[in-house]
Amino acid sequence: ETGVTQTPRHLVMGMTNKKSLKCEQHLGHNAMYWYKQSAKKPLELMFVYSLEERVENNSVPSRFSPECPNSSHLFLHLHTLQPEDSALYLCASSQASPVGPESSTYEQYFGPGTRLTVT
Amino acid sequence: AQSVTQPDIHITVSEGASLELRCNYSYGATPYLFWYVQSPGQGLQLLLKYFSGDTLVQGIKGFEAEFKRSQSSFNLRKPSVHWSDAAEYFCAVAADYKLSFGAGTTVTVRA
Repeated sequence: ETGVTQTPRHLVMGMTNKKSLKCEQHLGHNAMYWYKQSAKKPLELMFVYSLEERVENNSVPSRFSPECPNSSHLFLHLHTLQPEDSALYLCASSQASPVGPESSTYEQYFGPGTRLTVT
Repeated sequence: AQSVTQPDIHITVSEGASLELRCNYSYGATPYLFWYVQSPGQGLQLLLKYFSGDTLVQGIKGFEAEFKRSQSSFNLRKPSVHWSDAAEYFCAVAADYKLSFGAGTTVTVRA
């Protein structure tokens, strides 16, 4: 595997289900991101993990719960979602500088996304 | 806070014709700027980036972009489009550990 992979690629879930999205990066990066992409809207940054610590949580509802067990893996746990949560969920990674933002921090590489449909 | 505007929601261009996609940003300092492309059903692929130096940057797939500080713009160009360039294109500006994306421009290529 190369780059950033995401599984599953498609997910249909009911509002009472619990599911998880998985992201794995094979680039040796130390920062990982979750984005939500809805039709005709800018990408919304949801969570940022740098050096396995969460550094950003953009007012995301608690029905979304991220987990970053190591620098290569990132999960997004989903429970009691709403139909408006249907979207493409994208994972990205980058090489963050531990001493402050450098250009490499912002050069993000994206996975193919998980298309989520909440019924 | 930084922001990005892509004024064109949809552009249709003939195969072999030139393409220019507009991007305007708002940011107080010298920005880091990016263009990404997203093909249907795929994630975003980095086309090119501007950090500093030469204001004309070359990217993959024959794309280039020019940073114009006076106009707060970072427009993307390609001299001759191919049918495979049909996709959605996103401009992004970086600051505070984050990328802020524009809403995207969809490019349709007609034969």
